[in-house]
Amino acid sequence: GAVVSQHPSRVICKSGTSVKIECRSLDFQATTMFWYRQFPKQSLMLMATSNEGSKATYEQGVEKDKFLINHASLTLSTLTVTSAHPEDSSFYICSARVGGNGYTFGSGTRLTVV
Amino acid sequence: SQQGEEDPQALSIQEGENATMNCSYKTSINNLQWYRQNSGRGLVHLILIRSNEREKHSGRLRVTLDTSKKSSSLLITASRAADTASYFCATDQGAQKLVFGQGTRLTINP
Repeated sequence: GAVVSQHPSRVICKSGTSVKIECRSLDFQATTMFWYRQFPKQSLMLMATSNEGSKATYEQGVEKDKFLINHASLTLSTLTVTSAHPEDSSFYICSARVGGNGYTFGSGTRLTVV
Repeated sequence: SQQGEEDPQALSIQEGENATMNCSYKTSINNLQWYRQNSGRGLVHLILIRSNEREKHSGRLRVTLDTSKKSSSLLITASRAADTASYFCATDQGAQKLVFGQGTRLTINP
């Protein structure tokens, strides 16, 4: 089936630095990818929708300058957390829509900002 | 709120028993999907039920949908220790977006 590969699975960074998370669609083209954030023992909150070749659409309350999304090709979307702070520590997950009404999810990235 | 509600928030049962989780949502939907998440991992799609369907089965899973009550339930029969995970419902409300419920943490005790 359709697979989204997400890297890195874990990252620890210092406060003030930037971190890039990649999601690649394997064996299929993803014109749209979705980025979610999940705090411990909580649900997934949609942050933004990335569209290949155009600007991402951010959900209300999500800072577009802090969470930079790039979807430069049909198989790659990236999320860059800029000037990371401890409160940005979270689990970030991407997903892509596949045929019909299905979605496939990456394995997630655990970000810890120290 | 973006999200619907699930209950219970946590459920602990003995292996072999059935587990039932409920989900409520707030708006019209195209379909409702259930996902499973093992701790610290991504989501695995379990089953999708369309708005014009009332019940669907897949192996040991049974999903019902009541659009008049805006609610759904997921039943896992003959539970196994490996079913221990968090389960989320998600509604497709159009605009290609999934809205997730709060989730149920299921623990199956051997």
